Amino acid sequence: EPEVTQTPSHQVTQMGQEVILRCVPISNHLYFYWYRQILGQKVEFLVSFYNNEISEKSEIFDDQFSVERPDGSNFTLKIRSTKLEDSAMYFCASRILLAKNIQYFGAGTRLSVL
Amino acid sequence: DQQVKQNSPSLSVQEGRISILNCDYTNSMFDYFLWYKKYPAEGPTFLISISSIKDKNEDGRFTVFLNKSAKHLSLHIVPSQPGDSAVYFCATFLQGNTPLVFGKGTRLSVIA
Repeated sequence: EPEVTQTPSHQVTQMGQEVILRCVPISNHLYFYWYRQILGQKVEFLVSFYNNEISEKSEIFDDQFSVERPDGSNFTLKIRSTKLEDSAMYFCASRILLAKNIQYFGAGTRLSVL
Repeated sequence: DQQVKQNSPSLSVQEGRISILNCDYTNSMFDYFLWYKKYPAEGPTFLISISSIKDKNEDGRFTVFLNKSAKHLSLHIVPSQPGDSAVYFCATFLQGNTPLVFGKGTRLSVIA
């Protein structure tokens, strides 16, 4: 069964460093999303991406964040200068164009900022 | 800003019995609701959904009930199995392609 793949599963970084989280969405899906879950809190939306551009973003997604689809398969989230409070699970999700808004999630990347 | 509330952080149920997970929402504009299940070290997995034009949707052991006047939905699992032990998230969205809004989740433990 097709699935959303995320790498790495765990990323440890020093505060102020740049990190890139990678995702390979399901191949025929056209909408892509990043969510995050800080420990003990709810899953929160960061950004959605369609047709090679951001379609919506939350207040969390400030200038430190960016997304890119550098080729036909990868979808990346970059955090330019990480802060302690960026430590969280980051989930990538994708969905097919015409179906009801059922999003399929990857296993997540645990980001630890020290 | 709790648009979707799951007021029970945890629930423990005997194997074979019914599990009932509850979810309340505040915005009457939400018109489609989803339940996701999450195991440790995995991402949320879609389980079942319901449109606001229905009050019930059933898929095998899983049934979701929607009470629009009360802004309340529930997920029933019967009979519960140990493999159902996971965190269950209620989620919804406004319309079209808008992002999912999640509740905080309920951890279900099914005891053999």
